[in-house]
Amino acid sequence: GQQLNQSPQSMFIQEGEDVSMNCTSSSIFNTWLWYKQDPGEGPVLLIALYKAGELTSNGRLTAQFGITRKDSFLNISASIPSDVGIYFCAGQLGTGTASKLTFGTGTRLQVTL
Amino acid sequence: EAGVAQSPRYKIIEKRQSVAFWCNPISGHATLYWYQQILGQGPKLLIQFQNNGVVDDSQLPKDRFSAERLKGVDSTLKIQPAKLEDSAVYLCASSPPGGDRRFGSGTRLTVV
Repeated sequence: GQQLNQSPQSMFIQEGEDVSMNCTSSSIFNTWLWYKQDPGEGPVLLIALYKAGELTSNGRLTAQFGITRKDSFLNISASIPSDVGIYFCAGQLGTGTASKLTFGTGTRLQVTL
Repeated sequence: EAGVAQSPRYKIIEKRQSVAFWCNPISGHATLYWYQQILGQGPKLLIQFQNNGVVDDSQLPKDRFSAERLKGVDSTLKIQPAKLEDSAVYLCASSPPGGDRRFGSGTRLTVV
């Protein structure tokens, strides 16, 4: 099955730095979601985007729904150690029970003190 | 609110053996999903239930995988017989009508 392309694949940053990651697809989606997965846990939803061009913030996280509907971006400002984990984008088609979610390949974030 | 419960957390089996995973969704969540997450990849949907009916099982390898949700609450996912490439984390998720998916912690399966 299709998986969305995320970049970078992994990144090592220092505490306090800003982080940017993106997700691209060959198909359009009507919703973009960003999840974080800690070791040994399931993904947890961070941000949901519902409209092309939309910019949404959740604390230090900001995400954008690309104008073409084929990409999305996630920024984390002033990173802290608990930001460590794997970040997944997911594109969604349809709504409600009929919605289908396609996940990206993930970006692994490591934060050094 | 209790989260999605899954068991066991870890399982190691030999190839060609059988294995079963259990999931208890969040109370009131009618939709239940099973995902397979291979190391280094994002989750991939295996099967989706709406109450006790199957909505989507197009990615389920039906020759060896089966799943049921008999009373519309708990669900089990079975693999028989297991292959080496089935080694993965099996995630269960549930969602309320029109709501977002909530994931369990998963079962890590190692096939040797």
